[in-house]
Amino acid sequence: SQQGEEDPQALSIQEGENATMNCSYKTSINNLQWYRQNSGRGLVHLILIRSNEREKHSGRLRVTLDTSKKSSSLLITASRAADTASYFCATSNQASKLTFGTGTRLQVTL
Amino acid sequence: DTEVTQTPKHLVMGMTNKKSLKCEQHMGHRAMYWYKQKAKKPPELMFVYSYEKLSINESVPSRFSPECPNSSLLNLHLHALQPEDSALYLCASSPPRPRTTMSKNIQYFGAGTRLSVL
Repeated sequence: SQQGEEDPQALSIQEGENATMNCSYKTSINNLQWYRQNSGRGLVHLILIRSNEREKHSGRLRVTLDTSKKSSSLLITASRAADTASYFCATSNQASKLTFGTGTRLQVTL
Repeated sequence: DTEVTQTPKHLVMGMTNKKSLKCEQHMGHRAMYWYKQKAKKPPELMFVYSYEKLSINESVPSRFSPECPNSSLLNLHLHALQPEDSALYLCASSPPRPRTTMSKNIQYFGAGTRLSVL
């Protein structure tokens, strides 16, 4: 069964705007990661936040984690057309296994 | 070299064919993974190899047969597939877990093989 549910399923914004996507999960985790996938391609790791962290930044990315609510959010600031992709959260509670959320399809228009 | 290379990029096969998907990495990673991804869905884990041994099989049908000949190579042998097996098959790898810290399990993905079963 899916560990994570993401919302929105799809998001369309204009270049320069911020994009926020949310992820909820069901069980305890060691860490939560976000990945990006361009259409029909492999996934690329973006950022990892540990279960004892609440917020993390990397460039234009900001991730928050609320373990009491079992939820995370990914904020992309000043979006660009090149940010158009699907974004997946992934949780890890075992050394060898990631479980992916349902994903958010982001479309950034000029 | 930070790449995971998958071949072929595209594959069309009949239900009676036997084919293989290949995956290669030279990053010294000791865990390798096969995922199946249908359109507009997240990747679903199929198999995990850790130090060339199968450690996780997510109840995958026997018509999919994984093989890890060495620490750099991972194969997925396909036989008697069904049309519903058509999907993007992704390979990934991750670094060895440090002994003293919790594994991050950051995975590095190949571009995938787009498989169509007729």
